[in-house]
Amino acid sequence: EVQLVESGGGLVQPGGSLRLSCAASGFTFSSYEMNWVRQAPGKGLEWVSYISSSGSTIYYADSVKGRFTISRDNAKNSLYLQMNSLRAEDTAVYYCARDGVVVPAAPFDYWGQGTLVTVSS
Amino acid sequence: EIVLTQSPATLSLSPGERATLSCRASQSVSSYLAWYQQKPGQAPRLLIYDASNRATGIPARFSGSGSGTDFTLTISSLEPEDFAVYYCQQRSNWPGATFGQGTRLEIK
Repeated sequence: EVQLVESGGGLVQPGGSLRLSCAASGFTFSSYEMNWVRQAPGKGLEWVSYISSSGSTIYYADSVKGRFTISRDNAKNSLYLQMNSLRAEDTAVYYCARDGVVVPAAPFDYWGQGTLVTVSS
Repeated sequence: EIVLTQSPATLSLSPGERATLSCRASQSVSSYLAWYQQKPGQAPRLLIYDASNRATGIPARFSGSGSGTDFTLTISSLEPEDFAVYYCQQRSNWPGATFGQGTRLEIK
């Protein structure tokens, strides 16, 4: 069974940093591209970042470019999101989501349960 | 940036009725359109990909259609568990993705 479990969320002050983790199991993690997607309270979904299976190709949404860093450790079956210079508008539930095998333009076929990040003083 | 507009914002129907949800793209996304269902406190679940293909384990009452800029998600006969928020998503500019603002399907 495919499982994605996020952790690392919490309350942080504006300008602060936080590192999210996503532990993957039930599939060959190193073969799949991964993403972070966020959802502000009561709002819709926003794609945040993408990383290729090897980690060599990375993309970010304009809203987080220069502040967030996505990475992965295939030996540990884990995905990460380092978030710096956090702003109130970054407050959201952050989901890790797997790219499906359909090509091109794969949908997100599995999602974690999410971890809440709250940026507030 | 491609904008997806979903309509209606809220749809009130009764179990057993047919639901038709719309998603319109600001420019062509070919068939690179997916639909997700999200229930309160849960992660989104993939229903439809490539506009009309059901994801694994999705009941046959869910169907998708469309191409280019106009897409439809149809639920042929609503079950109690189908009342949720539905999002469309495009990835024609892969690996980026954009989502519609969602349609809330509520019990009438």
